[in-house]
Formats: sequence, structure tokens, C-alpha cells
Amino acid sequence: EPEVTQTPSHQVTQMGQEVILRCVPISNHLYFYWYRQILGQKVEFLVSFYNNEISEKSEIFDDQFSVERPDGSNFTLKIRSTKLEDSAMYFCASITPAASYEQYFGPGTRLTVT
Amino acid sequence: DQQVKQNSPSLSVQEGRISILNCDYTNSMFDYFLWYKKYPAEGPTFLISISSIKDKNEDGRFTVFLNKSAKHLSLHIVPSQPGDSAVYFCAALSVIQGAQKLVFGQGTRLTINP
Repeated sequence: EPEVTQTPSHQVTQMGQEVILRCVPISNHLYFYWYRQILGQKVEFLVSFYNNEISEKSEIFDDQFSVERPDGSNFTLKIRSTKLEDSAMYFCASITPAASYEQYFGPGTRLTVT
Repeated sequence: DQQVKQNSPSLSVQEGRISILNCDYTNSMFDYFLWYKKYPAEGPTFLISISSIKDKNEDGRFTVFLNKSAKHLSLHIVPSQPGDSAVYFCAALSVIQGAQKLVFGQGTRLTINP
């Protein structure tokens, strides 16, 4: 069964450094998402991406964040200058709305900012 | 901004009995609801969904009930099995507003006791 994959599984970085989190969505899906879950809190929407542009973003997704689909398979989330409060699990998800509204999630990347 | 609430942080049920997980929402524009299951160190896994035009959807051991007037939904698992032990998230979205972002509840940790 096709699945969403994410790399790395765990990323440790120092405050102020740039990080890129990578996702490979399910191949025939058209919409892509990033969510995050800070430890002990709920899963929060960050951004949705369709047709090579952002279709919706939350207030969390400020100028420090960017997304890109550099080729036909990868979908990346970049944090330009990490802060301690960016430490969280980051989940990528994808969907084909023509089929359903159920978003399929990857296993997540645990980002630790020290 | 607690648009989706799961008021029980944890629930313990005996194997073979029924598990009932509850979820309330405040945004009347939500018209599609989903339940996800999450194991530690994994991404959320889609379980079952329901559109606001229905009041019940069943899939094997899982049934979701929707009460629109009360803005309440519940997930029934029967019979409960040890493998059902996980954190369950309720999520909602507004198809009619074209919003695809999932708004999650805080989750309920379900423990099935043998």
C-alpha cells in the first residue's frame, strides 16, 4: 500500500540554524500539507500546497517557514532560523480530494532545537 | 482556539467491551469529520470519517455517530481489542468553505485492558 514517507526521522539543530524537512507524498496525490505537534499539545495545521503554490497557511507559518516541491516527488518544509519553540513533531500529509477528504500522514520528523 | 474538543484525556476499557470516544466542536461551518489513531513515534492513521449529511457511518468494528444539533460526534469501537490501545484524535474540516486544513482535538488515550 502506498504511503507518505518523511526524512529524517529525528533532526537535532542549534537555535538559529536552518533546517529542511523532507517528505515524499503518495505519488498520485495532488494536495500536500504540513502539520506539527508540540509535545503534549494537539496537532496543528501549518500550510497546504497545491499546484506549486501555497493554498492556505496558519498564523504559525510566518516568514521563517517556506515550502517547496523541488521535483515531482519531494515536498519540503524549510525553517530559516530555528527557535527553541520550533521543537516539535512535524507531519507531512497528502490527499487526492477527488477521491476523498481523508489526509494520509507520514511518520513524522522529530525536530529538536537546542 | 478550541474549535474541536475532546474532553477526556484518557479512557480505560476492558478487552471485548465497547469503547466510546467523544468529541465536540464549536464551528458550525465544519461539515466533514474524521477520526485518526496514533501510536507513539508514528503519524496519525486514518480510521473512519463522516460527512455532515449523515448521522452514522460504520466500518467493521468502528462506528462514528454525528449529532449536528449538539455539535457532537462519537467513535464506538466494539469489541475492543488490545491493539486498539493508542491515542485517538477527532478532526474536522469545512468542505463548503474550501478549507482543507484539518482542525484536531487534543486526543484521547485509549487503553484496552486484557
